[in-house]
Amino acid sequence: IAGITQAPTSQILAAGRRMTLRCTQDMRHNAMYWYRQDLGLGLRLIHYSNTAGTTGKGEVPDGYSVSRANTDDFPLTLASAVPSQTSVYFCASSLDRINSPLHFGNGTRLTVT
Amino acid sequence: DQQVKQNSPSLSVQEGRISILNCDYTNSMFDYFLWYKKYPAEGPTFLISISSIKDKNEDGRFTVFLNKSAKHLSLHIVPSQPGDSAVYFCAASAGDNNDMRFGAGTRLTVKP
Repeated sequence: IAGITQAPTSQILAAGRRMTLRCTQDMRHNAMYWYRQDLGLGLRLIHYSNTAGTTGKGEVPDGYSVSRANTDDFPLTLASAVPSQTSVYFCASSLDRINSPLHFGNGTRLTVT
Repeated sequence: DQQVKQNSPSLSVQEGRISILNCDYTNSMFDYFLWYKKYPAEGPTFLISISSIKDKNEDGRFTVFLNKSAKHLSLHIVPSQPGDSAVYFCAASAGDNNDMRFGAGTRLTVKP
């Protein structure tokens, strides 16, 4: 089934550790995104990529980095996790970079202790 | 600074009746608006969208209304069904990018 695959589904991580959340899409979408969902705040954009080889900062980029080496993969890395990064992380993609609905993965629930 | 606001965290309606979910925004540059539905343990799913050149868009039981002067949009579900029970997010983006801003969500419960 075409879509977005995120891994892991959930993770408990000690503060200070490094963690990479994986995201792969098979829809050949040009743009990809990482959001975090926190209670009462909705979804907030962390980083995005309009096309392979380019990335940009979203609303809450601090403490996170991304890369887009090819069309399908868009990993999100926490270099040194902190408890405030406890959240549910959603990867998404869209066909175009303008006026195009997002297709979301099922999320990664991350707890930083 | 939340540019998209959903002021009702929850809404409960009877099966067969109309559900009306509301959303307000502050950024006058927003020109593309969407509604997403989210079930537990799943990612949000796109439901319906509207561009700023329109004031209404309909898809089956779902209709989105846009009032640009009031910076307000709403989602109407008629008739509501128990399977519509989910969290609904409104979102908006502006100009030449797809940097979507989301509201905090409204949990809709449709009672049989």
